[in-house]
Amino acid sequence: EAGVTQFPSHSVIEKGQTVTLRCDPISGHDNLYWYRRVMGKEIKFLLHFVKESKQDESGMPNNRFLAERTGGTYSTLKVQPAELEDSGVYFCASSQDLRGTVYGYTFGSGTRLTVV
Amino acid sequence: AQRVTQPEKLLSVFKGAPVELKCNYSYSGSPELFWYVQYSRQRLQLLLRHISRESIKGFTADLNKGETSFHLKKPFAQEEDSAMYYCALRTGANNLFFGTGTRLTVIP
Repeated sequence: EAGVTQFPSHSVIEKGQTVTLRCDPISGHDNLYWYRRVMGKEIKFLLHFVKESKQDESGMPNNRFLAERTGGTYSTLKVQPAELEDSGVYFCASSQDLRGTVYGYTFGSGTRLTVV
Repeated sequence: AQRVTQPEKLLSVFKGAPVELKCNYSYSGSPELFWYVQYSRQRLQLLLRHISRESIKGFTADLNKGETSFHLKKPFAQEEDSAMYYCALRTGANNLFFGTGTRLTVIP
């Protein structure tokens, strides 16, 4: 089966611009998560979708970040306008069961975002 | 508040030597602990979880609630074990709290 796909793999944008990251989860996985790793720091949770609904968005840093999952399939994460501190690696993960307990999460390879 | 601490950013061991990657957590409730691994040019993947009490690729980890630890151990390190290792905690919510990771290098 195809894994979790993220694109672009790298993105370099100027401060103030807009960037949209995309994540295609494993087919049939209702649960989709976004995480972010800022340089030198831990991987931090951003939000969790169950199908098209936002189950938990407590990790979203501010209102410059907007995540959507229309139709409960792929998800997008838009940063508008981007700031320097948004630079990092953005990971997407999906799981078959709600808590990912049985099979764990399947992660994508990440999008490395650099804001200059 | 929930927190995961991995005190070593870098760890180097010789091939065949025992290895222990430390992980401590803080959480007042009943935790679920995981180890994730990222090999070079590969994606983050689940290595093992405490509820399974399993051994994967020779690695084991025991949850010690008294010491709030979940250290990852392997008796004889192999070169292919070189990777980035992340300890993760899940509480009542469905998201994971990760540590900052430990980069393990196994020297031939």
